[in-house]
Amino acid sequence: QVQLQESGPGLVKPSQTLSLTCTVSGGSISSGSYYWSWIRQPAGKGLEWIGRIYTTGSTDYNPSLKSRVTISLDTSKNQFSLRLSSVTAADTAVYYCARDPGVVAARGFDYWGQGTLVTVSS
Amino acid sequence: QSVLTQPPSASGTPGQRVTISCSGSSSNIGNNFVYWYQHLPGTAPKLLIYRNNQRPSGVPDRFSGSKSGTSASLAISGLRSDDEADYYCAGWDDSLSGWVFGGGTKLTVL
Repeated sequence: QVQLQESGPGLVKPSQTLSLTCTVSGGSISSGSYYWSWIRQPAGKGLEWIGRIYTTGSTDYNPSLKSRVTISLDTSKNQFSLRLSSVTAADTAVYYCARDPGVVAARGFDYWGQGTLVTVSS
Repeated sequence: QSVLTQPPSASGTPGQRVTISCSGSSSNIGNNFVYWYQHLPGTAPKLLIYRNNQRPSGVPDRFSGSKSGTSASLAISGLRSDDEADYYCAGWDDSLSGWVFGGGTKLTVL
């Protein structure tokens, strides 16, 4: 059973960089044809896809966030990470990591982390 | 403003059948599969429907999905109190080269 767990600071100051890590257990992050995504939900709003990374390290980002987002992979630790720069209060949200088998496999985000709340405030 | 459009709320009484709509465009729903997620506050979203109308193992057949053109629907029959949650549609958008979600529909069981 694949499990994902987000970790990182719960409070980030405006203009700084938000950094989160997702640790994957129950399977190797580098095996299989999977993408690994970050998704967020601001309070009172809907889900927003941030971006994803493939096992090869290639990435896709939401165009609205692309200039500020970096997603990376650490296969030795079975983790992938999110960095979001120049944050503002609008980036306050619950951040989820999720596994995505890809558009061709078309099985949706089948495994999710429990989510972690990140608040941007001075 | 979400790329996919859902009604903000829906409601029904126990045992009833309710449907939730999701409207998109030719770059997303019209050309790709639709997915539905159930989200209870404080928990991880759960995949309910993939490939328009397929249920993952463990999802009851009370949940069904359909798609026609650039719109899709999620139907829940035999409504139960524990179906009360937020429901999101999602799909791949070819123009944006990314996943897009609907704004979510809050389902209330009266």
